[in-house]
Amino acid sequence: DQQVKQNSPSLSVQEGRISILNCDYTNSMFDYFLWYKKYPAEGPTFLISISSIKDKNEDGRFTVFLNKSAKHLSLHIVPSQPGDSAVYFCAADSNFGNEKLTFGTGTRLTIIP
Amino acid sequence: DSGVTQTPKHLITATGQRVTLRCSPRSGDLSVYWYQQSLDQGLQFLIQYYNGEERAKGNILERFSAQQFPDLHSELNLSSLELGDSALYFCASSYGPSSYSYEQYFGPGTRLTVT
Repeated sequence: DQQVKQNSPSLSVQEGRISILNCDYTNSMFDYFLWYKKYPAEGPTFLISISSIKDKNEDGRFTVFLNKSAKHLSLHIVPSQPGDSAVYFCAADSNFGNEKLTFGTGTRLTIIP
Repeated sequence: DSGVTQTPKHLITATGQRVTLRCSPRSGDLSVYWYQQSLDQGLQFLIQYYNGEERAKGNILERFSAQQFPDLHSELNLSSLELGDSALYFCASSYGPSSYSYEQYFGPGTRLTVT
């Protein structure tokens, strides 16, 4: 039962353009969402998060949007840079019950120079 | 560098064997989490320890066990290994007990190959 889904395994974007990575979730108890970035041979690193009381959170070139009614979130990177090439994982957590991060399967983003 | 160390980096072993993966958390962190990432899968939460005590359990098989020692390092023991146990195993640490309130810092992972 995949409660967090990233339906695009890969995405290629031209340098300077906007990258949009999508994530869907099914568990309505999730109320905190995170994006992690992973380079090869390294562990995931935290990128940005959003609480369910907000619908947008911005940090520099990275913005996360949350649509609770659609159970959908997206990560926008603008402008995209070659160093953004990595695997991006969406994760969700709940303040109710068994707190644990539930991860999506990841999207491999390639920025084309 | 997250400050979380994992050893070994790679491990190749045969079916039926037992292995131990080791994790040292960031200095000052009290929580250790273990995750398994199989091919084309997301990270699956296995188990969490906080200050030496088991705090949360995910889909961890009975063949797997873990512990956290007084110096806060943790070991994940995998026994009666099967081909399907081949995966990347990540350890993460955080300061507090709650995954909800405290950022997790991940180690580089141990790649286990069972042949």
